[in-house]
Amino acid sequence: DAGVIQSPRHEVTEMGQEVTLRCKPISGHNSLFWYRQTMMRGLELLIYFNNNVPIDDSGMPEDRFSAKMPNASFSTLKIQPSEPRDSAVYFCASRAAQLGELFFGEGSRLTVL
Amino acid sequence: AQSVAQPEDQVNVAEGNPLTVKCTYSVSGNPYLFWYVQYPNRGLQFLLKYITGDNLVKGSYGFEAEFNKSQTSFHLKKPSALVSDSALYFCAVRPMDSSYKLIFGSGTRLLVRP
Repeated sequence: DAGVIQSPRHEVTEMGQEVTLRCKPISGHNSLFWYRQTMMRGLELLIYFNNNVPIDDSGMPEDRFSAKMPNASFSTLKIQPSEPRDSAVYFCASRAAQLGELFFGEGSRLTVL
Repeated sequence: AQSVAQPEDQVNVAEGNPLTVKCTYSVSGNPYLFWYVQYPNRGLQFLLKYITGDNLVKGSYGFEAEFNKSQTSFHLKKPSALVSDSALYFCAVRPMDSSYKLIFGSGTRLLVRP
């Protein structure tokens, strides 16, 4: 299995631009998570999907952030408009079962100038 | 409040020596406990987990962890460290009353010197 696939690996953009991060979970996994990692705040859960349905989006910082999962094999995290404080590494992770471990992608490093 | 503490920002150990990375938690009930490792510019990788049963859990790459309920700890250990073990280690706790929320510690950087 190829694991969780994220794109792009690196994104540099200017403040105010729209950013879209993409994730392909492991086939057969029914749970998908988006995390953000920064030095100051560590790992933060942004949103959790189960069977393609958003269950908990309480970690989404503000309305500028949105996430979708149109099918079991694809999810997006969109930031519009982006701000410098959004600079971070964004991870997607998937899980097969409730007691199972998370499988993380390699992350998307976002820099907003 | 539910929390996970990794009291050491960094652990230094010589290659071949045993290593311990500490983790304590504060959650209600009996939690599910995990250790993950992160290499530079990579995602987190699962090492091991405790759900129930034997308090000593063995995981990937020769790592093991011991669940201690009375001390609310789940320290990560390895009998003989390798230089390639140098990485960032995260302890995570999932409270029993949640099907998905993982509370991550702040991470401990392990440096194994040759």
